[in-house]
Amino acid sequence: RKEVEQDPGPFNVPEGATVAFNCTYSNSASQSFFWYRQDCRKEPKLLMSVYSSGNEDGRFTAQLNRASQYISLLIRDSKLSDSATYLCVVNEWHTGNQFYFGTGTSLTVIP
Amino acid sequence: NAGVTQTPKFRVLKTGQSMTLLCAQDMNHEYMYWYRQDPGMGLRLIHYSVGEGTTAKGEVPDGYNVSRLKKQNFLLGLESAAPSQTSVYFCASSYAGGNQPQHFGDGTRLSIL
Repeated sequence: RKEVEQDPGPFNVPEGATVAFNCTYSNSASQSFFWYRQDCRKEPKLLMSVYSSGNEDGRFTAQLNRASQYISLLIRDSKLSDSATYLCVVNEWHTGNQFYFGTGTSLTVIP
Repeated sequence: NAGVTQTPKFRVLKTGQSMTLLCAQDMNHEYMYWYRQDPGMGLRLIHYSVGEGTTAKGEVPDGYNVSRLKKQNFLLGLESAAPSQTSVYFCASSYAGGNQPQHFGDGTRLSIL
């Protein structure tokens, strides 16, 4: 079983739509959680950390459910520039600070 | 602020050749990592380092070696390149401790013929 699993999509949504991605992780001892964004042929870039109480950054909202071991990302009012692959990342810093990446969810925002 | 810098950006090798990929970070991060990314596979950890002079194996270490002689540099070596090592390689670094995200270099595209 993979450490981190995501629906690969693709998600094709119109501009202005709201879209949500989920991610599940297998190790209940995981301690830190992040969403990264990766554009085609570019490096992953941090979108936001995910905190236990949930957190928001502009149009982006991240939630963590430790009991069910899943993380979500909600994007409101989608922009064309949101088109990218979104990577769910889980960190286990007590075991050498390793990061585990999902394979990513592809989003295309359509004009 | 350069962040994480990888060299080279692109390289084509013949099977059996050797080469070294260099990663340099100027953020004084303790931890450094090498990943490979292949289509449909996501990022897979090759080797990592929790400090100067230390290295450890990740998920896919075979065929690669690493060294961290200086805190700011992390080298990835391919002793005898194989076509299966054709991939995009990313270096990343982070501070120690919890909830510290990784910062990535912009990648090295490596083709083995």
